[in-house]
Amino acid sequence: GENVEQHPSTLSVQEGDSAVIKCTYSDSASNYFPWYKQELGKGPQLIIDIRSNVGEKKDQRIAVTLNKTAKHFSLHITETQPEDSAVYFCAASWSTGGFKTIFGAGTRLFVKA
Amino acid sequence: DTGVSQDPRHKITKRGQNVTFRCDPISEHNRLYWYRQTLGQGPEFLTYFQNEAQLEKSRLLSDRFSAERPKGSFSTLEIQRTEQGDSAMYLCASSLHPGGSYGYTFGSGTRLTVV
Repeated sequence: GENVEQHPSTLSVQEGDSAVIKCTYSDSASNYFPWYKQELGKGPQLIIDIRSNVGEKKDQRIAVTLNKTAKHFSLHITETQPEDSAVYFCAASWSTGGFKTIFGAGTRLFVKA
Repeated sequence: DTGVSQDPRHKITKRGQNVTFRCDPISEHNRLYWYRQTLGQGPEFLTYFQNEAQLEKSRLLSDRFSAERPKGSFSTLEIQRTEQGDSAMYLCASSLHPGGSYGYTFGSGTRLTVV
């Protein structure tokens, strides 16, 4: 079955620096890659996503890249702020699977002021 | 619409008891998903519904677990004869397909503690 590996598990950056989280997936049928942010006591919140026919997508300070050949995808956060501190999950999903989503284990991001 | 609602937020139960959780999705969303999340891990898929039809169940969902979505609106997840290993956060999510984002809107979850 599908497996999603995510690293690092913990990331600490200084406010204003960039943060990068990397993921790999195993099932070449995956065609949708969402990223979720989870704050303490809350459910995950979708922050950005990318489909397999796109290599890069940007939304303000966050961007995602996808390398289908290598089965790698990454999240980039620029100009980090303390409110970016949270757990981030990458995920892989596929349309033929009803968009059932397989999540990575998460990255805990600390942004130091 | 206030998003996805889950009830209760917290549940403490004794081993062997039955528990039931409720999820109210975003009203126009036709898909509803249940996930389980343990500390330090990502959510794990349990089951999903398209309207009232349960289309897939994970092998994680033993015969002690049952989920329903009568009339394609709210959903319930019941765990019978709870075990300590069932302690986790149970998350519900909904989406609209086709026509909406493929991503989910999650509720805040029900945290189950089995003592």
